Amino acid sequence: GQQLNQSPQSMFIQEGEDVSMNCTSSSIFNTWLWYKQDPGEGPVLLIALYKAGELTSNGRLTAQFGITRKDSFLNISASIPSDVGIYFCAGPTTSGTYKYIFGTGTRLKVLA
Amino acid sequence: SAVISQKPSRDICQRGTSLTIQCQVDSQVTMMFWYRQQPGQSLTLIATANQGSEATYESGFVIDKFPISRPNLTFSTLTVSNMSPEDSSIYLCSVTDTYNSPLHFGNGTRLTVT
Repeated sequence: GQQLNQSPQSMFIQEGEDVSMNCTSSSIFNTWLWYKQDPGEGPVLLIALYKAGELTSNGRLTAQFGITRKDSFLNISASIPSDVGIYFCAGPTTSGTYKYIFGTGTRLKVLA
Repeated sequence: SAVISQKPSRDICQRGTSLTIQCQVDSQVTMMFWYRQQPGQSLTLIATANQGSEATYESGFVIDKFPISRPNLTFSTLTVSNMSPEDSSIYLCSVTDTYNSPLHFGNGTRLTVT
């Protein structure tokens, strides 16, 4: 079945550092979504990508749709303490409907 | 995007009992879904809530355990039946309007079964 693997699984960084994480798929996607989940809350959409090679920014966040359509990347520049949380990628299922599967998640911890 | 409200936000339940979770959206939406997030894990799709008809369940989830209703385009319920400690999870309602549009989530219901 479809799988989305995220790397790294978790990371500790110093405040002010840049962060990079990625998401890889066993199949081709035509959409990539990136979410952030804070403790006790539901995931919040950060960035949506719809085209291979697309690079999209949202403030200090930048995400890219990989050329192979099997991967995506999320970068956070100049991290701050509120960046702490779990970051999930998501992509549509192969059934061709509205359904999405989610990646394994990257847990980010920022040291002040 | 739509505002999605879930109730209750959390509950502690005894094994063998059932809990019904409500999801209310502030506007009509095409698709509503229920996800489960087990402790420390990612999100797993339970089912698609279909308006006026039976929900469509994913592999590993059955109607007897997770009955779902969707009487209109703004409301859905998920019941977790005959609960066991393994059902302790966060249950999340999500919505979207058009194909390939992003999902948006409620804040979830944190369920603990003792």
